[in-house]
Amino acid sequence: EVQLVESGGGLVQPGGSLRLSCAASGFTFSNYTMHWVRQAPGKGLECVSAISSNGGGTYYANSVKGRFTISRGNSKNTLYLQMGSLRAEDMAVYYCARALRQQLLLDAMDVWGQGTTVTVSS
Amino acid sequence: EIVLTQSPGTLSLSPGERATLSCRASQSLSSDYLAWYQQKPGQAPRLLIYGASSRATGIPDRFSGSGSGTDFTLTISRLEPEDFAVYYCQQYGSSPRAFGQGTKLEIK
Repeated sequence: EVQLVESGGGLVQPGGSLRLSCAASGFTFSNYTMHWVRQAPGKGLECVSAISSNGGGTYYANSVKGRFTISRGNSKNTLYLQMGSLRAEDMAVYYCARALRQQLLLDAMDVWGQGTTVTVSS
Repeated sequence: EIVLTQSPGTLSLSPGERATLSCRASQSLSSDYLAWYQQKPGQAPRLLIYGASSRATGIPDRFSGSGSGTDFTLTISRLEPEDFAVYYCQQYGSSPRAFGQGTKLEIK
């Protein structure tokens, strides 16, 4: 079964840091571009970051550029999002998602995790 | 930066009726890199349509996508009770890979 499972969310103070992980199974992880998408409470979806299959290409939304770092461990089938200088507006459910087709950087997202919740509050 | 505007914000219909959801882009999308997702409360989004008109695996044929350039439409031919949800369009051909603000499809 193709599956993505996020972890690492929790409560963090403003200005703090957190690392999210996304464990992939059931497919050849190293062949796919991966994404982080977030959803603030009661709001819509925002593409936060993406990374190419070999890790050589990355994308960041302007709202997180310079504060978040995406990475992947293809030998561990795991995607990461290191989040720093967290703000109240970063509070959201964070989903990891897989690109639809292998090796494509620009693609829709067809497999999603269940999400992990990040709460930023003092 | 491409902005996607979805309309209407809320659509109230009854099971069995036809639903037409609109997504308009502020600039023409390259190669029709437009997707539609369905999201139910407490769940992750689900891919319905990619490339503006291709159904994702396992998506019933009552869902169809059309359009090109700046104007795109998601049509649900005959609403089933499980179709009532929020629907998002997304462009993935350029950065930022923006989503529309969503259309809530509710039971009338």
